[in-house]
Amino acid sequence: QQPVQSPQAVILREGEDAVINCSSSKALYSVHWYRQKHGEAPVFLMILLKGGEQKGHDKISASFNEKKQQSSLYLTASQLSYSGTYFCGTEKGGGADGLTFGKGTHLIIQP
Amino acid sequence: DTAVSQTPKYLVTQMGNDKSIKCEQNLGHDTMYWYKQDSKKFLKIMFSYNNKELIINETVPNRFSPKSPDKAHLNLHINSLELGDSAVYFCASRPWTSGIRGTQYFGPGTRLLVL
Repeated sequence: QQPVQSPQAVILREGEDAVINCSSSKALYSVHWYRQKHGEAPVFLMILLKGGEQKGHDKISASFNEKKQQSSLYLTASQLSYSGTYFCGTEKGGGADGLTFGKGTHLIIQP
Repeated sequence: DTAVSQTPKYLVTQMGNDKSIKCEQNLGHDTMYWYKQDSKKFLKIMFSYNNKELIINETVPNRFSPKSPDKAHLNLHINSLELGDSAVYFCASRPWTSGIRGTQYFGPGTRLLVL
């Protein structure tokens, strides 16, 4: 089952904050966040495992609410380099059957 | 050093042809994947290969077949190419040891155009 991402797109000014949400109708083992720039491969940002953890790296952080099957990616004081499409990928557990990705959130940062 | 590499980067071919895309990872990972990204940027799992166990997404036509000569390689062979096969194909790999799952890394992608 494909996770649902929101919003589909967002336009920000440099320095503003953004939140991207990812929700699933199924119980999740983990949530993975990637950023993809045009013409490039998705680049790993962070992985969150069940247990309700929160992670951060520089000005990008994420949370995972296992009970609600939801994850959120937080971008603070956005930079021009943050522009791109953000994907959440989920896995339910069990075998190595790959990640199921949402449709992506297109983020545009304007100077 | 390239972690996950794919060849070719671009592939333009005629309908009905058979083609292969190669993938290699030098990370020592034991699980590899193929994903397809269509024109709407939807990224979808096609296959996963872990310790010689192949898991196939049921929506993938049987014209697509993965072949793994060893743990570091997972190639994708496509028979009788159709217009709808045009997409970007990404290989990925991930460590999967004793149930501990690590980060999945993508290759640079192969842009396939079927004419």
